[in-house]
Amino acid sequence: DIQMTQSPSSLSASIGDRVTISCRSGQSISNYLNWYRQKPGKAPELLIYSASSLQSGVPSRFSGSGSGTDFTLTISSLQPEDFATYYCQQSFSTPAPTFGGGTKVEIK
Amino acid sequence: QVQLVESGGGVVQPGRSLRLSCAASGFTFRRHAMHWVRQAPGKGLLWVSVISSNGNIKYSEDSVKGRFTISRDNSQNTLFLQMDSLRPEDTATYYCAREAEGALDVWGQGTLVIVSS
Repeated sequence: DIQMTQSPSSLSASIGDRVTISCRSGQSISNYLNWYRQKPGKAPELLIYSASSLQSGVPSRFSGSGSGTDFTLTISSLQPEDFATYYCQQSFSTPAPTFGGGTKVEIK
Repeated sequence: QVQLVESGGGVVQPGRSLRLSCAASGFTFRRHAMHWVRQAPGKGLLWVSVISSNGNIKYSEDSVKGRFTISRDNSQNTLFLQMDSLRPEDTATYYCAREAEGALDVWGQGTLVIVSS
């Protein structure tokens, strides 16, 4: 199994802040990396696929970058609805995807 | 609209069985691989099982192999998860999700399974 490691596990930020979340894979996964946001009590929702492609309907303040083993999710200006937990997921090792441990974004 | 709706969760004793369903609507169900993902209370996401679009190929995570069986009925646009020999550690919210080129682009609202005596 490909291990996915996210950092930090949690962070505190304010409305309007620029936030970056990191995800590292245990082996090279090219650009087979997806990002999800999970609001409290809700199902996850896809934000970014193939490392840097914005899912339809997702605000442009979200962006993704990276390839190989190191990836980053950036929120350019944090909004109230962005206080949530974020997960990366590799889709290189199909058919069994693996998720990172999550990064909880909290209000400062 | 594109939608997945899970059902079948509840409280069950250890060793017993439960069958989850996921009803799909708003898209061509038979064209997509489908997944089950679970989340224990306060924990992260854990992939459980996947089934190919035609139902011929199935994979499951090691901890549920031999106990959980994924299946689908493309004529009824429904995904299933048969869970046997349930354990307390299977307690979680179970989500079904649609796959699109490796990403899980549509998720259901989840159904809670509690395994407890």
